[in-house]
Amino acid sequence: GQQVMQIPQYQHVQEGEDFTTYCNSSTTLSNIQWYKQRPGGHPVFLIQLVKSGEVKKQKRLTFQFGEAKKNSSLHITATQTTDVGTYFCAGLFNTGTASKLTFGTGTRLQVML
Amino acid sequence: SQTIHQWPATLVQPVGSPLSLECTVEGTSNPNLYWYRQAAGRGLQLLFYSVGIGQISSEVPQNLSASRPQDRQFILSSKKLLLSDSGFYLCAWSWESGYTFGSGTRLTVV
Repeated sequence: GQQVMQIPQYQHVQEGEDFTTYCNSSTTLSNIQWYKQRPGGHPVFLIQLVKSGEVKKQKRLTFQFGEAKKNSSLHITATQTTDVGTYFCAGLFNTGTASKLTFGTGTRLQVML
Repeated sequence: SQTIHQWPATLVQPVGSPLSLECTVEGTSNPNLYWYRQAAGRGLQLLFYSVGIGQISSEVPQNLSASRPQDRQFILSSKKLLLSDSGFYLCAWSWESGYTFGSGTRLTVV
């Protein structure tokens, strides 16, 4: 079955440091999505990447989709305490009847003052 | 605008008791609907998805079932809960660019 692996599992950074989480799929993806889940909350959609090699930015967040559409990364520049949470990538695999998201294992980010 | 409602927010149930979690979507028609479960500190596991009324696909064999009696209603059920059914249950609907999740139900089976 489809698998999406994500590393690291945990990351502690000092406020102001950068942070990157990496996502890898065993098979080619239709697209990849990123979600953020605050402690105690539900996942919230951040962005979708569709094209091979695509790069998108949202303020301090930079998202990349690999050329082979099998990997992706999320980079946060100069982390802030508001960035705390778990970041999930999710790969979209078309099944013919419904597109199903397979979530990565997530990276829990802790930002220390 | 589209909204998704999920209830209850928390639930504590004894082993062997039945379960019914409800999810409704507003502002869209014929949505694809999903039930995910998240164990504590873990990722999200797809349990069921539905592309229309009465159409349910199960992703993993388990003690749970799902039903879609109306276009915008998705129900997760169990006849007899197990301890291993504890977790954070999330309903979601998909749109062209992503998924929108409900606020989730934290189920503790005791």
